Amino acid sequence: DAGITQSPRHKVTETGTPVTLRCHQTENHRYMYWYRQDPGHGLRLIHYSYGVKDTDKGEVSDGYSVSRSKTEDFLLTLESATSSQTSVYFCAISAGQGLGGNEQFFGPGTRLTVL
Amino acid sequence: DQQVKQNSPSLSVQEGRISILNCDYTNSMFDYFLWYKKYPAEGPTFLISISSIKDKNEDGRFTVFLNKSAKHLSLHIVPSQPGDSAVYFCAASGTQGGSEKLVFGKGTKLTVNP
Repeated sequence: DAGITQSPRHKVTETGTPVTLRCHQTENHRYMYWYRQDPGHGLRLIHYSYGVKDTDKGEVSDGYSVSRSKTEDFLLTLESATSSQTSVYFCAISAGQGLGGNEQFFGPGTRLTVL
Repeated sequence: DQQVKQNSPSLSVQEGRISILNCDYTNSMFDYFLWYKKYPAEGPTFLISISSIKDKNEDGRFTVFLNKSAKHLSLHIVPSQPGDSAVYFCAASGTQGGSEKLVFGKGTKLTVNP
């Protein structure tokens, strides 16, 4: 299994509070991603990173920011959590082989509840 | 607008029979397709993939078929086992700009009954 950990695994917070989720990898993969999974929506990309300090927006980036100061760590921040951000968040990594051969490997997920 | 569609939210089959999960895509720039399996409370796990230069890829009990003209792919599981019960996601990517990103369907929940 790819070495990906997420912390915390579960979090309950209140509306308006800041929240930071951490993804840590031991594979030295170039690409890292944050997704959210919601019923009826599948997996939706929030932000991704293609290198240290290089990030870009995904499909549902509003209300989220990310940072990657080291190859192994990718942080997702909710500056002011809202109830609509209650979800399960998955981190993924990829070596990014190009030519379409870019399987992504997922972490175990973080279940976030915003009250 | 959904670029990757899994029109069946759920599928139920008997153990030992074939499971067929379907996926349609709209973006003709997609040329690499993947299937992931997800158990409750776990992250998705990569199952099998296929490049657009092929029309079939097989790995044990799992076979993915690609029909480029119809923009359709399917995952066949034979024989199905109760441990195959999970949500299956179809995903697609393109080699031109953005190949590092995957677009996922909404998933199909497969239940294999003993």
